[in-house]
Amino acid sequence: DTEVTQTPKHLVMGMTNKKSLKCEQHMGHRAMYWYKQKAKKPPELMFVYSYEKLSINESVPSRFSPECPNSSLLNLHLHALQPEDSALYLCASSLTDGGPSYEQYFGPGTRLTVT
Amino acid sequence: KNEVEQSPQNLTAQEGEFITINCSYSVGISALHWLQQHPGGGIVSLFMLSSGKKKHGRLIATINIQEKHSSLHITASHPRDSAVYICAASGGSNYKLTFGKGTLLTVNP
Repeated sequence: DTEVTQTPKHLVMGMTNKKSLKCEQHMGHRAMYWYKQKAKKPPELMFVYSYEKLSINESVPSRFSPECPNSSLLNLHLHALQPEDSALYLCASSLTDGGPSYEQYFGPGTRLTVT
Repeated sequence: KNEVEQSPQNLTAQEGEFITINCSYSVGISALHWLQQHPGGGIVSLFMLSSGKKKHGRLIATINIQEKHSSLHITASHPRDSAVYICAASGGSNYKLTFGKGTLLTVNP
């Protein structure tokens, strides 16, 4: 199984809503990533979890709250978002995040629209 | 200035043509990644290479470490190859991927 799955595929939420994005992999990868991608731009790294601990936060606003309940699951909790947060949110995983480079496997993304 | 530069930004080809997309990087890397993204879709990792050449089907990726340059070639291109191709560098003291801006490839039938 070389797949990263993400749910939901699409999400529309109001600025006062609370919602969560979910990412799952069963490849035994110990590093998991959240990226944000605006239209026609490359992905921007948001968070990295390594062995279920947050290792990188790229100065992301606190309205985005990541969580890694176990080595296979990664969540992104959303609260009080702004319309400019509308984007494709991509999850990725790799064997680890340190030492030699490892291939990152990306999920299909969640298309988020904030109204 | 982006440390990973791709060219061309846009590329239109006729079905069957040989395609080359180029990537230059200015930082020390441990690996160079080629990624594919169809419109509105997620990202698929095509290759990760740190030296030499890799081939998968009609796709070939090469890297020249001394010249800090990589190329992605597509032989016998097909309309289903139409996508954005992204080059990304990883390694050094920073394991993060540094992305190029992508090349939008359109293959017409």
